Amino acid sequence: AQSVTQPDIHITVSEGASLELRCNYSYGATPYLFWYVQSPGQGLQLLLKYFSGDTLVQGIKGFEAEFKRSQSSFNLRKPSVHWSDAAEYFCAVGARRGSTLGRLYFGRGTQLTVWP
Amino acid sequence: GAGVSQSPSNKVTEKGKDVELRCDPISGHTALYWYRQSLGQGLEFLIYFQGNSAPDKSGLPSDRFSAERTGGSVSTLTIQRTQQEDSAVYLCASSRAVNEETQYFGPGTRLLVL
Repeated sequence: AQSVTQPDIHITVSEGASLELRCNYSYGATPYLFWYVQSPGQGLQLLLKYFSGDTLVQGIKGFEAEFKRSQSSFNLRKPSVHWSDAAEYFCAVGARRGSTLGRLYFGRGTQLTVWP
Repeated sequence: GAGVSQSPSNKVTEKGKDVELRCDPISGHTALYWYRQSLGQGLEFLIYFQGNSAPDKSGLPSDRFSAERTGGSVSTLTIQRTQQEDSAVYLCASSRAVNEETQYFGPGTRLLVL
């Protein structure tokens, strides 16, 4: 069965520090991979996605993520965190084909707190 | 419109009542999705539409839940005889197509069943 694991429920970093949010997935084949961000009371905003090609993908707001097939991981990184990055971050996977085409499977989310 | 819109933004209802939640996708997007976000279950897929048809309804939690889409645009998610466990945020998303396309999410409808 497909599943997405975000092992860190809550992460706290100081403004200006680097950030890495972990995401591991269990899937029969290489899925599509996404990172979304959700601010309080808001919907989900796409940060970046991996469909194919270069395994290091760049997103909005200075975020990047690296797809590592051997580790079934898609970790999100940012070299210098800003206070406005405080939010909840969700990793998601989607099928390329088959009966589950169209649906995204989400991790449980990582809540990021930024100290000034 | 510029993005996915949902209405109402908040809904409070009494147990046993029916509710309708509306989603207006991005213009030109043929695929539309419904998800539910709750504290206990996280983000769960409910159903998606390709045009007006729903190839995958398997995420609907019970037969009290139904959804339709008419004219390939607006979709309505209906919950009959609401229960307290239906309290959640219901998110709608749309994409240009089903395969290899980004899903863009609306702000959600926060449903509270008393």
